[in-house]
Amino acid sequence: DARVTQTPRHKVTEMGQEVTMRCQPILGHNTVFWYRQTMMQGLELLAYFRNRAPLDDSGMPKDRFSAEMPDATLATLKIQPSEPRDSAVYFCASGLTSRGGGNQPQHFGDGTRLSIL
Amino acid sequence: QKEVEQDPGPLSVPEGAIVSLNCTYSNSAFQYFMWYRQYSRKGPELLMYTYSSGNKEDGRFTAQVDKSSKYISLFIRDSQPSDSATYLCAFYYSSASKIIFGSGTRLSIRP
Repeated sequence: DARVTQTPRHKVTEMGQEVTMRCQPILGHNTVFWYRQTMMQGLELLAYFRNRAPLDDSGMPKDRFSAEMPDATLATLKIQPSEPRDSAVYFCASGLTSRGGGNQPQHFGDGTRLSIL
Repeated sequence: QKEVEQDPGPLSVPEGAIVSLNCTYSNSAFQYFMWYRQYSRKGPELLMYTYSSGNKEDGRFTAQVDKSSKYISLFIRDSQPSDSATYLCAFYYSSASKIIFGSGTRLSIRP
């Protein structure tokens, strides 16, 4: 059963440190999404890519967050410098978008639980 | 008005009961309607997916869409303790590419 894989599963670090989260999308999926989930805000879309190109990162604080897809099998989300308010669970999801624009539903990884002290 | 409204619960029902979970939405452009289930410390998993008004059944689960009222529901029959999770409704339209999620309803099934 194909799955989205995220690493690390847990991360605890001090404020000011750089945090890198990684995601391996399902093989063959061409769309990758990064979400942040908190009790207060629920699931928030941070950024997404189609065919490795960033399409929308309007949900992401640009001064400290960056998202990239170095290749089709790896997506990264970096926070530098990290702050306590960044503490949340970060999810990666992947999906398949056809050339006609039709989307298949997204499949989620199990997330990275991030705590910034 | 928020684009999607979902009662956060928590909702607690006895085992075997019928559960009804609901969401309302305001964007008439939404074409696809989904329900995700999220267990504690796990990512959301797709449970039901439909693009038309009416009912869609899958085992003990029935998804209902009423586009005229902008209202969707998920019914769970013969609820089991293993159904205890947070249920998120989700919507999208193809030109937008991104999914809009409800805030989730926390459901607990008492043995």
